[in-house]
Amino acid sequence: GAVVSQHPSWVICKSGTSVKIECRSLDFQATTMFWYRQFPKQSLMLMATSNEGSKATYEQGVEKDKFLINHASLTLSTLTVTSAHPEDSSFYICSARSGQGAAGSPLHFGNGTRLTVT
Amino acid sequence: QKEVEQDPGPLSVPEGAIVSLNCTYSNSAFQYFMWYRQYSRKGPELLMYTYSSGNKEDGRFTAQVDKSSKYISLFIRDSQPSDSATYLCAMSFIQGAQKLVFGQGTRLTINP
Repeated sequence: GAVVSQHPSWVICKSGTSVKIECRSLDFQATTMFWYRQFPKQSLMLMATSNEGSKATYEQGVEKDKFLINHASLTLSTLTVTSAHPEDSSFYICSARSGQGAAGSPLHFGNGTRLTVT
Repeated sequence: QKEVEQDPGPLSVPEGAIVSLNCTYSNSAFQYFMWYRQYSRKGPELLMYTYSSGNKEDGRFTAQVDKSSKYISLFIRDSQPSDSATYLCAMSFIQGAQKLVFGQGTRLTINP
């Protein structure tokens, strides 16, 4: 089945530094990828939609200057948390659609990145 | 009112029991329905994917969609300790936004 790889799986950084998270679709091309955030014991919250070759679309309340998204190829999207603060500590998960991105086609998730900002 | 409601549990059952997990939703425009399983500190794994009303079976798992009642279910037969996880329902529209709307997730524990 479709595989989405996310790296790193966990990262600890100091407050004020930036962290980059990579999301790759391994066996399919993804023109659209999605970035989610999940707090403990809560469901996934969509942060932004990453579009290959164009600007990302951010959900209401998500700071686009803080969470920089780059989707430079059909298999890679990156999320950079800039000037991270302890409140940014969370579980970040990317996802992509197989089926050439057709509406309603299944969404496959990476294994997530646990970010801890000290 | 949330678009998708799911009882967060926790739900604890003995091994071998039949488990029933449910979600209700308010927007009748939802057409695609999914169930994901998420182990601790892992990303969600797609379990079942259905379109519109009806049943779909895959091994020990059965997904059921009742659009008239805006209600979906996931049944797990012969539950195993390895089924212990958080189960998330999700749904999307047939056109327009490709975003998924998730339920809160139900934490399930199967006791050996």
